Amino acid sequence: SQTIHQWPATLVQPVGSPLSLECTVEGTSNPNLYWYRQAAGRGLQLLFYSVGIGQISSEVPQNLSASRPQDRQFILSSKKLLLSDSGFYLCAWGTGVTGELFFGEGSRLTVL
Amino acid sequence: AQSVTQLDSQVPVFEEAPVELRCNYSSSVSVYLFWYVQYPNQGLQLLLKYLSGSTLVESINGFEAEFNKSQTSFHLRKPSVHISDTAEYFCAVSALETSGSRLTFGEGTQLTVNP
Repeated sequence: SQTIHQWPATLVQPVGSPLSLECTVEGTSNPNLYWYRQAAGRGLQLLFYSVGIGQISSEVPQNLSASRPQDRQFILSSKKLLLSDSGFYLCAWGTGVTGELFFGEGSRLTVL
Repeated sequence: AQSVTQLDSQVPVFEEAPVELRCNYSSSVSVYLFWYVQYPNQGLQLLLKYLSGSTLVESINGFEAEFNKSQTSFHLRKPSVHISDTAEYFCAVSALETSGSRLTFGEGTQLTVNP
């Protein structure tokens, strides 16, 4: 069966520090991969998605970037964090057939 | 492009009462519809989905949703809620595009079940 994991689960970082969140999918090949963010009390905001290795589409211009170095690995990064980057980050994968997505456990980032 | 509107941001109910969480969508093409549930500090879990066939779909924990094409709705219902149903619920829609389906989420409805 397919599984998705993301880490770390919780992260507290100072303003201006770098960020790296990782997501790995197992049990499937060539998945579509997504990064979403939830700010406190808000809905889901799609940040990035990828349909293949090295292919990244950005939905919202911001302080973050994404990379897909391997078929089932998706990384969210920042060189210098802002206070506004705080939130709950969710990685997801899908086949692209029906749009159905499968989510990881989430990573809570607090920028101080 | 498609869009989703969840008409209620918060729904408080008492335990064992019925509940309806409303969802309307907009799309110029055929759609697939989903309800996801999110418990505090967790990822989203698929609750139920409509892909084709019967317009009434059910989950294993007593929720059901009905696809109404004429009213472009996919409301979520449960005849008797439990304390454990307290969570955020997201309605989502995808429409088949040449590059594969993309999922669009509503803003979410916080269901709070009180004793």
